[in-house]
Amino acid sequence: QKEVEQNSGPLSVPEGAIASLNCTYSDRGSQSFFWYRQYSGKSPELIMFIYSNGDKEDGRFTAQLNKASQYVSLLIRDSQPSDSATYLCAVNRKGNKLVFGAGTILRVKS
Amino acid sequence: GAVVSQHPSRVICKSGTSVKIECRSLDFQATTMFWYRQFPKQSLMLMATSNEGSKATYEQGVEKDKFLINHASLTLSTLTVTSAHPEDSSFYICSAPGGAEPLNSPLHFGNGTRLTVT
Repeated sequence: QKEVEQNSGPLSVPEGAIASLNCTYSDRGSQSFFWYRQYSGKSPELIMFIYSNGDKEDGRFTAQLNKASQYVSLLIRDSQPSDSATYLCAVNRKGNKLVFGAGTILRVKS
Repeated sequence: GAVVSQHPSRVICKSGTSVKIECRSLDFQATTMFWYRQFPKQSLMLMATSNEGSKATYEQGVEKDKFLINHASLTLSTLTVTSAHPEDSSFYICSAPGGAEPLNSPLHFGNGTRLTVT
């Protein structure tokens, strides 16, 4: 079982819709969870991080964490074509190391 | 916000030569930096942890004699790919915890180095 699993996609949504990206992790001891966006040929950029169960909102983005289910998600409201990218879920390991999922490709169609 | 600068952004070298990649934290000190590698259409894989003032720690399967890491100061870590081969062609990205490095702080990434070995 992979430490961090994501559906590779592509996930296609129309412009203005809500995009829902999901991630599961295997280590119950994980405490920190991160979502990064990566455009083709570029390095990842941090979108959000979440440490506590529940929802965390930042603009059009909402991260949701359920530690009991070992599940973390990212919602993108009012999706824009510029949101089209690969979204990487990452989980913190000991020593501040991040383990990344394979990423979900999101395509927002105008 | 925290900025991590990586240089060069792109390098092409011949098989058998060595390539050095620099990673600098510009507005904060980083006792720890991380080096990742990403092959096309794959996710980031952690190669090693660079520790200021001590030896780097390598992930399983990463050859420490091939990928030399030096963390000479609180703002600079270097990765040298020695005797490069075409299979070393990849996207190498460094990262550092931002600011005061709390235990679970987000990582900030450099812009990456695209290495092509011919």
